Amino acid sequence: GEDVEQSLFLSVREGDSSVINCTYTDSSSTYLYWYKQEPGAGLQLLTYIFSNMDMKQDQRLTVLLNKKDKHLSLRIADTQTGDSAIYFCAETPNFGNEKLTFGTGTRLTIIP
Amino acid sequence: NAGVMQNPRHLVRRRGQEARLRCSPMKGHSHVYWYRQLPEEGLKFMVYLQKENIIDESGMPKERFSAEFPKEGPSILRIQQVVRGDSAAYFCASSPDRGARGNEQFFGPGTRLTVL
Repeated sequence: GEDVEQSLFLSVREGDSSVINCTYTDSSSTYLYWYKQEPGAGLQLLTYIFSNMDMKQDQRLTVLLNKKDKHLSLRIADTQTGDSAIYFCAETPNFGNEKLTFGTGTRLTIIP
Repeated sequence: NAGVMQNPRHLVRRRGQEARLRCSPMKGHSHVYWYRQLPEEGLKFMVYLQKENIIDESGMPKERFSAEFPKEGPSILRIQQVVRGDSAAYFCASSPDRGARGNEQFFGPGTRLTVL
């Protein structure tokens, strides 16, 4: 079955870049997503990447995909206190409406 | 356009009682998903429904759990005879029909179930 792995914690100084990593096992993954969860809240979709891309940039966010190594990363430039949250990567194998398989989440803490 | 609505936001039940969780998808969305998040864990898929149909229930426990998405009204996740291990946050997501962004699911704020 599918498996998605993330490191649990990351601490970054305010103003530095944060890099959150994710590995997955399902070679048929078509779309890969990054979600943000703030305390007590639901999940907010930050960005996504299609499997035939290797990079996508959206303002302060850069997603890198290494399909050969099944490795996905999210870089947040100029990290701010408002970026403190849990970040989940997720994948889905098909174009259609299918379930998402989530990683365990990375808790990002910003150091003032 | 209101987002995905879930109620109640918090639900406390004693062991053996029933829990009913409701989810109203975004307007125009006909696909609903339920996920469960245990403390300090990621979200695990439970069930995927379209109007009046269960499409994929591979993540649902075989007993005590059921879900429906009637033609009119919200989707309901029902847990009978709750046990302490059912304590979790239950998230609902909805999506429109297939589009350019693949399976973009919009999440509700979740229902936090506590079983005493």
